[in-house]
Amino acid sequence: AAGVIQSPRHLIKEKRETATLKCYPIPRHDTVYWYQQGPGQDPQFLISFYEKMQSDKGSIPDRFSAQQFSDYHSELNMSSLELGDSALYFCASSFGQGAFFGPGTRLTVL
Amino acid sequence: GENVEQHPSTLSVQEGDSAVIKCTYSDSASNYFPWYKQELGKRPQLIIDIRSNVGEKKDQRIAVTLNKTAKHFSLHITETQPEDSAVYFCAATSTSGTYKYIFGTGTRLKVLA
Repeated sequence: AAGVIQSPRHLIKEKRETATLKCYPIPRHDTVYWYQQGPGQDPQFLISFYEKMQSDKGSIPDRFSAQQFSDYHSELNMSSLELGDSALYFCASSFGQGAFFGPGTRLTVL
Repeated sequence: GENVEQHPSTLSVQEGDSAVIKCTYSDSASNYFPWYKQELGKRPQLIIDIRSNVGEKKDQRIAVTLNKTAKHFSLHITETQPEDSAVYFCAATSTSGTYKYIFGTGTRLKVLA
């Protein structure tokens, strides 16, 4: 069965640079979520989209923005990167209940 | 705001014993409670879920119980095996009008062979 696809899987950036993370949800899923997970931490909700409209916002810094496109893929844009942004970034998608996670993008900020 | 508390943070059991993880939620609008298993460096994987109109659900060695009045729900794993070792997260969400899952802080389960 098709799963959530995320790219890239690994990303290394310098401080103050920008990064773009991409997410391709499971076909026919209408909701996309972005989560940030630091080492040993629980996933922290950043933002979600329902039917391409921004739905809920969590602890997403103003330096980050996200959008969902007409083909339902989503991108998380991160600017002015800080060392503390180093984390695993997960995208998840759902149709109704039960969110399914992608493999994550490991972002390292040097 | 919404909050999900999870206990214990770590749990070690002997192979074959049972493990119980408990969560408490604060948002009374929450009506859907999934459980995720996450192995090191991998994605959280949905292993079982329960809706608020059900008190208990079982899937082979895994069961979840929900006490809506007390706002707590639990994961029960019986006959634990070494491959059950992982971090388990509970989560809560409302299925009406919001699109976010609030996660508990996780329980690191270690099954000793």
